[in-house]
Amino acid sequence: SAVISQKPSRDICQRGTSLTIQCQVDSQVTMMFWYRQQPGQSLTLIATANQGSEATYESGFVIDKFPISRPNLTFSTLTVSNMSPEDSSIYLCSVEIENGSSYEQYFGPGTRLTVT
Amino acid sequence: AQSVTQLGSHVSVSEGALVLLRCNYSSSVPPYLFWYVQYPNQGLQLLLKYTTGATLVKGINGFEAEFKKSETSFHLTKPSAHMSDAAEYFCAVTAYSSASKIIFGSGTRLSIRP
Repeated sequence: SAVISQKPSRDICQRGTSLTIQCQVDSQVTMMFWYRQQPGQSLTLIATANQGSEATYESGFVIDKFPISRPNLTFSTLTVSNMSPEDSSIYLCSVEIENGSSYEQYFGPGTRLTVT
Repeated sequence: AQSVTQLGSHVSVSEGALVLLRCNYSSSVPPYLFWYVQYPNQGLQLLLKYTTGATLVKGINGFEAEFKKSETSFHLTKPSAHMSDAAEYFCAVTAYSSASKIIFGSGTRLSIRP
């Protein structure tokens, strides 16, 4: 398993500003991901955070809006840039852990963002 | 391509009653299937998973799910609901050959009546 922490746990931000969310894992992992959960919605994958290279973004998400860093195998950041109220969501990071012949994804507690 | 459909955005049962949360999937390759639970103001916790082998999988907190390939279903059950089971439940699928991208269902909110 993996223990994942996120900072901040929640924040209220003004439109036009940016917020950087940190994700820390207690062990080295290859795969880290960032998800968004809009109010009352399911999770949507934003991007895969690749260590040592640029993140891989899903359709509908771009680097200019959601820049991601992955400086090492235990840490990643997601920045939500030039925020608007539509960015109000829970942002979750997750990691993939190999478990025998299969894989499991573990999720952080999430960062609840409100944009006013 | 893969997708997940959860039938019923909200399910309400009485304490002690059977819990049944429905999930159907679509996958062009053998799937891995998961159920996650999200308690209010918390992250996601893995309840159980199916990869290969036994089609009836048991998870935490007394939950279990059965993989039925012929029905493309992976319904979650619990014989007797407890008040602490009130939460949001997400069914998810990923490709057998790569566990990197998980597709989540829309979620089912489970309420427990006293």
